[in-house]
Amino acid sequence: GQQVMQIPQYQHVQEGEDFTTYCNSSTTLSNIQWYKQRPGGHPVFLIQLVKSGEVKKQKRLTFQFGEAKKNSSLHITATQTTDVGTYFCAGLNTNAGKSTFGDGTTLTVKP
Amino acid sequence: DSGVTQTPKHLITATGQRVTLRCSPRSGDLSVYWYQQSLDQGLQFLIQYYNGEERAKGNILERFSAQQFPDLHSELNLSSLELGDSALYFCASSARLAPTYEQYFGPGTRLTVT
Repeated sequence: GQQVMQIPQYQHVQEGEDFTTYCNSSTTLSNIQWYKQRPGGHPVFLIQLVKSGEVKKQKRLTFQFGEAKKNSSLHITATQTTDVGTYFCAGLNTNAGKSTFGDGTTLTVKP
Repeated sequence: DSGVTQTPKHLITATGQRVTLRCSPRSGDLSVYWYQQSLDQGLQFLIQYYNGEERAKGNILERFSAQQFPDLHSELNLSSLELGDSALYFCASSARLAPTYEQYFGPGTRLTVT
C-alpha cells in the first residue's frame, strides 16, 4: 500500500536557525497536505499543495511539492519558539480514496 | 477551536473492557475520520465515514468498530481492550467525501488501558 516517510523524526535547533522536514511517498500523490500539532494539542491544517513543482509561502514557512509529485518539503526560516511542535505531511491518493500521514517531524527550539 | 468535539477527554479502563468514543463533526461537515496516535508516533488512519456510510478503511483492528449516525455524529467502539490500545484517538471532519479537503481535528480522547 501507499507509504509516506518523513525525515528527520526529530530536529533540535537554536532559535533563529532554519529548519526543514522532508516527506517522501512510495506512490505518486494527487496532492499533499501539511499539519502542525503543538505539544498536547491536535493537528491543525497548514496548507495543501496540488500542482507539480508548486511552491507556497506562509510568512516564514515555505512549502514545496516535487516535480514528480512524490515528495514535499516544509522549510521554516529563522525559527521561533512558537514553531515548536510536530509537523505532519499527509499524502493524498484520490484513487485509493484516502490520505496517508507521515510519522511527523518533531521540532524543538532552544531560546 | 476547530468546531469538532470529542467526548470524553480522558478514559481509563481495564484490559478486556469495551469503551465508546464520541465525535461531533463541524457543522455541515459530512465526512468523519478516526485516527489513533500512540506515544511518539504518527497518526494511524482507522476509518472514514461519509454521510452515514463507511467509505475508507485503514489499519483498524477487528475489535474496533465505528458508525456515523443520521445527525452525523460518530462513535468509535473499542472492545476486548489490550494494553497496547492505550493511545490518543482523534476524530477529524471535512466538508466533502474526497480527502482533498482539509481535515479539522477534534481535541482527542486519551485512552489509558490498565
